[in-house]
Amino acid sequence: QKEVEQDPGPLSVPEGAIVSLNCTYSNSAFQYFMWYRQYSRKGPELLMYTYSSGNKEDGRFTAQVDKSSKYISLFIRDSQPSDSATYLCAMMMSGYGGSQGNLIFGKGTKLSVKP
Amino acid sequence: DVKVTQSSRYLVKRTGEKVFLECVQDMDHENMFWYRQDPGLGLRLIYFSYDVKMKEKGDIPEGYSVSREKKERFSLILESASTNQTSMYLCASSQTGVGYTFGSGTRLTVV
Repeated sequence: QKEVEQDPGPLSVPEGAIVSLNCTYSNSAFQYFMWYRQYSRKGPELLMYTYSSGNKEDGRFTAQVDKSSKYISLFIRDSQPSDSATYLCAMMMSGYGGSQGNLIFGKGTKLSVKP
Repeated sequence: DVKVTQSSRYLVKRTGEKVFLECVQDMDHENMFWYRQDPGLGLRLIYFSYDVKMKEKGDIPEGYSVSREKKERFSLILESASTNQTSMYLCASSQTGVGYTFGSGTRLTVV
């Protein structure tokens, strides 16, 4: 069983739709959860950062963490063609140094928002 | 904003060549990482470093080495390039406990 599972898609939605992206994980020691967005031929950029369980909202983006189910989600409201990208979830055990502070990435979900 | 700069966006090298990929960050970050990214395989960690002159193997270090002589610079070396090392290479840096900042990537083709 892989540590972090993410459906690769591709996911295609019409402009204005609500998008739900998800990851599951197996290691209950993960404490820090992130979402990265990667445009074609670019490096990933940090989108959302959450510590432990709960919700975090930033504009049209909401990140949810359910540690009891080992499940994290990213919701995009009023999706735009400019949201078309690959979204990678990432998580780590510790905020301190050493390998426990290394991020474990999902493989990414490719999203396409059609005008 | 933190900047992570990779020296080349595109490189074409011949089989057997020694290849150097350079990465420089400008925010005094302690940690630096090299990944390769391939379709269907996601990001795979090659090497990482927590401090100057320190290095740790990641998940796929075979065929690669690294050098960190200065805090801001982390170099990835392909000792003898092979066609199966054709890939997108991504460098990242971080302060402990914070998310990574990635460079724009180097697309390496080995022919």
